[in-house]
Amino acid sequence: LAKTTQPISMDSYEGQEVNITCSHNNIATNDYITWYQQFPSQGPRFIIQGYKTKVTNEVASLFIPADRKSSTLSLPRVSLSDTAVYYCLVGPILTGGGNKLTFGTGTQLKVEL
Amino acid sequence: DAGVTQSPTHLIKTRGQQVTLRCSPKSGHDTVSWYQQALGQGPQFIFQYYEEEERQRGNFPDRFSGHQYPNYSSELNVNALLLGDSALYLCASRFRGNGNEQFFGPGTRLTVL
Repeated sequence: LAKTTQPISMDSYEGQEVNITCSHNNIATNDYITWYQQFPSQGPRFIIQGYKTKVTNEVASLFIPADRKSSTLSLPRVSLSDTAVYYCLVGPILTGGGNKLTFGTGTQLKVEL
Repeated sequence: DAGVTQSPTHLIKTRGQQVTLRCSPKSGHDTVSWYQQALGQGPQFIFQYYEEEERQRGNFPDRFSGHQYPNYSSELNVNALLLGDSALYLCASRFRGNGNEQFFGPGTRLTVL
């Protein structure tokens, strides 16, 4: 599985856009990029997933350059409630009954007033 | 529609004891996986159950075992507890098919003294 590298922590203020970059230099052709969010004492929550270019949903955007060796999770206008750990995962799409996701140590985002 | 539920919420055991954790998947989901999350780390995959059989397993010793029932609920058993087994144990479910979105429960906090 491709190894990922993310900043350990980031600080931001309410209303700002936050971009968290993940490096995955040895991403494989069939690997997808998935981001999860985790609040303290809760299970991770799926945010967004993509393969290339740009993906946007109601929560975030995911930017993936052509070489796919990195990706950027963009959170528009963050609020205090976005304070959480964000995990970048790289791996093949789970098929059938497969469930194994490989998490790194994630990025602790702290949003202040 | 209830999400993934886990019981108990918290548990305190002593070294050498055995513990059973329980998980009910989200309605409509038939695959269940278990993760161990140590403090400050990302979740680590333990194993996955589908059609009442263990399908995938992470790098965990045989002291960790599980079971899935016909109603898709699942148990995680840990024998001969060690201090290092203290962690948040997360259950995740999804419906078989293609996709990396899993739904996680709130977890069971296990403390081994």
